[in-house]
Amino acid sequence: GDSVTQMEGPVTLSEEACLTINCTYTATGYPSLFWYVQYPGEGLQLLLKATKADDKGSNKGFEATYRKETTSFHLEKGSVQVSDSAVYFCALSSMDSSYKLIFGSGTRLLVRP
Amino acid sequence: SAVISQKPSRDICQRGTSLTIQCQVDSQVTMMFWYRQQPGQSLTLIATANQGSEATYESGFVIDKFPISRPNLTFSTLTVSNMSPEDSSIYLCSAQGAGDDTGELFFGEGSRLTVL
Repeated sequence: GDSVTQMEGPVTLSEEACLTINCTYTATGYPSLFWYVQYPGEGLQLLLKATKADDKGSNKGFEATYRKETTSFHLEKGSVQVSDSAVYFCALSSMDSSYKLIFGSGTRLLVRP
Repeated sequence: SAVISQKPSRDICQRGTSLTIQCQVDSQVTMMFWYRQQPGQSLTLIATANQGSEATYESGFVIDKFPISRPNLTFSTLTVSNMSPEDSSIYLCSAQGAGDDTGELFFGEGSRLTVL
């Protein structure tokens, strides 16, 4: 079945450092790909999404490009802030999985001042 | 988009009791789902809440333990029955907006249950 694999955390960075969180997927069809963020004590919020190959999703300085050839959707940010500290979840949804959202294990990011 | 409200936001429950979580969406939505997030873990889908019919459960989840109702297009409930400490989790309601074909889901704030 469909699945998502993302890098283990926690990831600890200093403010203004570059961030990459790796995400790869396995899917039989053509999924949509998502990054969700969960700030401490809060629910999940959509950070960005991409619905077809080569699409780039972006929001709040974060970017991710849908790479079908490598089945990847890595999350990047050029300069992180303390306020970016959160847990980040990569996820996919496809018609083959009845549009159920399948999540990766989550990566905790801690940004130090 | 859709705004999802859940209640209770948190509760402390005794072993063997049951608790019902309510989920209200501010607009009519096609699909509604219930997820569980165990401490420090990712989200696991419990079931798809179907309007006017029985929910569709994922492997490892059964109706007797997690009965779900969805009487209309904006409301659903999840009951956690005969709770044990292993049921201590955050339970999240989610919905797919009407007309959306990307699979994007909106989430409630979650209901954090602690079972003693």
